[in-house]
Amino acid sequence: QKEVEQNSGPLSVPEGAIASLNCTYSDRGSQSFFWYRQYSGKSPELIMFIYSNGDKEDGRFTAQLNKASQYVSLLIRDSQPSDSATYLCAARISGGGADGLTFGKGTHLIIQP
Amino acid sequence: DADVTQTPRNRITKTGKRIMLECSQTKGHDRMYWYRQDPGLGLRLIYYSFDVKDINKGEISDGYSVSRQAQAKFSLSLESAIPNQTALYFCATSERDNTEAFFGQGTRLTVV
Repeated sequence: QKEVEQNSGPLSVPEGAIASLNCTYSDRGSQSFFWYRQYSGKSPELIMFIYSNGDKEDGRFTAQLNKASQYVSLLIRDSQPSDSATYLCAARISGGGADGLTFGKGTHLIIQP
Repeated sequence: DADVTQTPRNRITKTGKRIMLECSQTKGHDRMYWYRQDPGLGLRLIYYSFDVKDINKGEISDGYSVSRQAQAKFSLSLESAIPNQTALYFCATSERDNTEAFFGQGTRLTVV
């Protein structure tokens, strides 16, 4: 059973601080990892993806992957009220006929003005 | 216009009725997916398709069927709707292996 685990929150962070979102996955066959942001009642939108161990930065966002520990994280620097949303971590296994993303249940992030 | 379009956006139907949710895409992607989202349960994969001739069951396919009418169209049917199929349904596409999924706007389905 492929599983992606996230703390559901809510995670409350002051405006301007760093928000740290964490995710673990159970299947070592997972090859690629994605962070989506979802506002209430809206569709998920991609924030970042990461395939290789280490850090990947894009603007205020940094994704971190540690395959040995089966751990993925997303850091949001200089948090803004508009960052308040649910953040979904997803993993995909490459090849083998299986497809589709396995999603965590999401972490609800609240940025306090 | 959205690259992945779902119709209808909202639907209320009665128990036992047949209902179809439609998805069309202009992204030219081969892979299409149907997910449902329930509060506290996250997104779960119902069916996915690699091309018109390749349909696969996902994690929670019971009670659902799909049809891939063309590369750009993928519909989801509930043959006999039941209340626990009340959920937010998303269609998604992706280009190839290991790439991100692009989501439609969602269909909010209520079965009464």
